[in-house]
Amino acid sequence: QKEVEQNSGPLSVPEGAIASLNCTYSDRVSQSFFWYRQYSGKSPELIMSIYSNGDKEDGRFTAQLNKASQYVSLLIRDSQPSDSATYLCAGGGDKIIFGKGTRLHILP
Amino acid sequence: NAGVTQTPKFRILKIGQSMTLQCAQDMNHNYMYWYRQDPGMGLKLIYYSVGAGITDKGEVPNGYNVSRSTTEDFPLRLELAAPSQTSVYFCASRLSGSYRTDTQYFGPGTRLTVL
Repeated sequence: QKEVEQNSGPLSVPEGAIASLNCTYSDRVSQSFFWYRQYSGKSPELIMSIYSNGDKEDGRFTAQLNKASQYVSLLIRDSQPSDSATYLCAGGGDKIIFGKGTRLHILP
Repeated sequence: NAGVTQTPKFRILKIGQSMTLQCAQDMNHNYMYWYRQDPGMGLKLIYYSVGAGITDKGEVPNGYNVSRSTTEDFPLRLELAAPSQTSVYFCASRLSGSYRTDTQYFGPGTRLTVL
């Protein structure tokens, strides 16, 4: 059974600091990885996808993938109160499996 | 584009009743997914489809059925509703085939309560 693991948090980060979110996965054949943000009562919204080892940057967000360690992370620079949400990690091939999510709280 | 649409937004069912949750997308995406999310939890995959006429089980398929007769539509059927199926159901579509264009988008969700 494929699994995606995340620390449920909550993770509290001061405004303006870097928030670091981590995720591990059990399936070595997983090819595509996604990070989503979900506000309470809303549907998940895609932040970034990553497929190759290394870093991928988009604005204040950087995703990092290490396939050898089966590890994917998301860094949020200059954290804002509006970044307070649950962050979901997902991965797989045709079948995309989600972790349980990490609650992030940005302290003003 | 409307993106991914789901109907209804809310529904209350009695134990043993049946219903179909509708999902449609207008982005010509090849993949579609059904997930459920229980309070405070992540998303669990129910069924998915890689194209019209092709469906496969996810992590929690029991009690559900799907069909995909067109690229646009992917309905989810609950045959005999049980309280354990009380959840928020999300449909998603995904354009896969190239790493540069691999994206997955979610609908607004259907909140289902079984009493």
